[in-house]
Amino acid sequence: DAKTTQPNSMESNEEEPVHLPCNHSTISGTDYIHWYRQLPSQGPEYVIHGLTSNVNNRMASLAIAEDRKSSTLILHRATLRDAAVYYCILRDDTDKLIFGTGTRLQVFP
Amino acid sequence: KAGVTQTPRYLIKTRGQQVTLSCSPISGHRSVSWYQQTPGQGLQFLFEYFSETQRNKGNFPGRFSGRQFSNSRSEMNVSTLELGDSALYLCASSFQGIGNTIYFGEGSWLTVV
Repeated sequence: DAKTTQPNSMESNEEEPVHLPCNHSTISGTDYIHWYRQLPSQGPEYVIHGLTSNVNNRMASLAIAEDRKSSTLILHRATLRDAAVYYCILRDDTDKLIFGTGTRLQVFP
Repeated sequence: KAGVTQTPRYLIKTRGQQVTLSCSPISGHRSVSWYQQTPGQGLQFLFEYFSETQRNKGNFPGRFSGRQFSNSRSEMNVSTLELGDSALYLCASSFQGIGNTIYFGEGSWLTVV
C-alpha cells in the first residue's frame, strides 16, 4: 500500500492561507491523491482529489507536483471551522483508503 | 439526501460478548467500507463490500466479519470482544469507482468493559 507523509501539526491564523504538504514518493501511475479532513467527534469528510493537474473546488485547492511525488492542500482563507485533522491519501481503484497520521491544523482567531 | 447512517451510535459491551453494527449507505451507493479508529492506531481499514461481495480486507483477526445485503445495507460483527476493540467504527459508502467521493457516517462508539 502506497504511503504518505505529512507533518504532525500546523498552525494558522484566521483568514490567512494555509498550505498543508504531503509527500508520496511511492505513488503509482494510477493512484489518485485524495484529501479528507476529520473534525472532532465526526467521521472523515471529503475535501478534494486529483490525479495530475491542479484542482480547485469550493473548499480548497490541490497543487500536485509535476513528478506527482508530493502535493499541497491549500485553504485560501482559514476559518475556525477548518480546525481539523487533514489526511492525504493515495487511492487506487477500490474504496480502500489507507489513512496515515494526518496533520492536525489549529486555527487561531 | 440522507447521508450514511450508522446504528447504534453508542454502545457498551462486556469482554467475551459479540456486537453487530449496522450501516445504511447513501441511496444508490453500492460500495460500503468499514474502518476502525483508535487513539493508538488511528484510522484502519477493515473491509470493503460491493454488490454483496467482499472486495478487500484489512489486517484484522477473523473475529471481525461483515456482510452486505442486496439493498446495499451492511453489517459488521465482532465476536469474543476484547478491551482493545474499544473504538469508533466508521462506515463509508460510494457509487464505487475511483472518481467517486467516499462519504463517511458519524460512526458507532463501542466501549468494551
